[in-house]
Amino acid sequence: EAGVVQSPRYKIIEKKQPVAFWCNPISGHNTLYWYRQNLGQGPELLIRYENEEAVDDSQLPKDRFSAERLKGVDSTLKIQPAELGDSAVYLCASSTGDFNEQFFGPGTRLTVL
Amino acid sequence: GDSVTQMEGPVTLSEEAFLTINCTYTATGYPSLFWYVQYPGEGLQLLLKATKADDKGSNKGFEATYRKETTSFHLEKGSVQVSDSAVYFCALSDKSYGKLTFGQGTILTVHP
Repeated sequence: EAGVVQSPRYKIIEKKQPVAFWCNPISGHNTLYWYRQNLGQGPELLIRYENEEAVDDSQLPKDRFSAERLKGVDSTLKIQPAELGDSAVYLCASSTGDFNEQFFGPGTRLTVL
Repeated sequence: GDSVTQMEGPVTLSEEAFLTINCTYTATGYPSLFWYVQYPGEGLQLLLKATKADDKGSNKGFEATYRKETTSFHLEKGSVQVSDSAVYFCALSDKSYGKLTFGQGTILTVHP
């Protein structure tokens, strides 16, 4: 069974530039999560999807971050414009339901210069 | 709000040494508790979990017991191997909808 796929694995951009991350969850997983992991910290939830619906985006900085999950499968997380403080690893996870095990992708390491 | 505190690392051990990584939590109600492991270059993997007080989670020689009275979920292994070198995260899940709250992670390095 293929795991959660994320791309790109690494991204370096200058501040004020836009950036997008892509996630393909495990087939059949209707719940998808985006987390941000700052250096030396644990992941923090940004947004959670149930199929196409964002059911918890309370931690997503909506002034510059946006996300979508078209057709309830793949998801894209976008930052526009990026700031220096956005440098982090962005993790995608999926599960078959809120109370089931979350499977994590390898993450995208973003560096904003 | 919910929070998880792990012992500060990094932790460096010799092969076959005993491992303890402390984890305490603050939460309303009775959360589920987890240990995740992150090997170099890989994503987080669930190592073990416990869903109620006094439950013991175990996997690959690692164990942790859900202690409600001390709000703790310490990770232990009797004899570590070089291949156990990784970052370990303690986490709790709100049973209302399964949101994971993570600790800051503990880096473990095991030398031959």
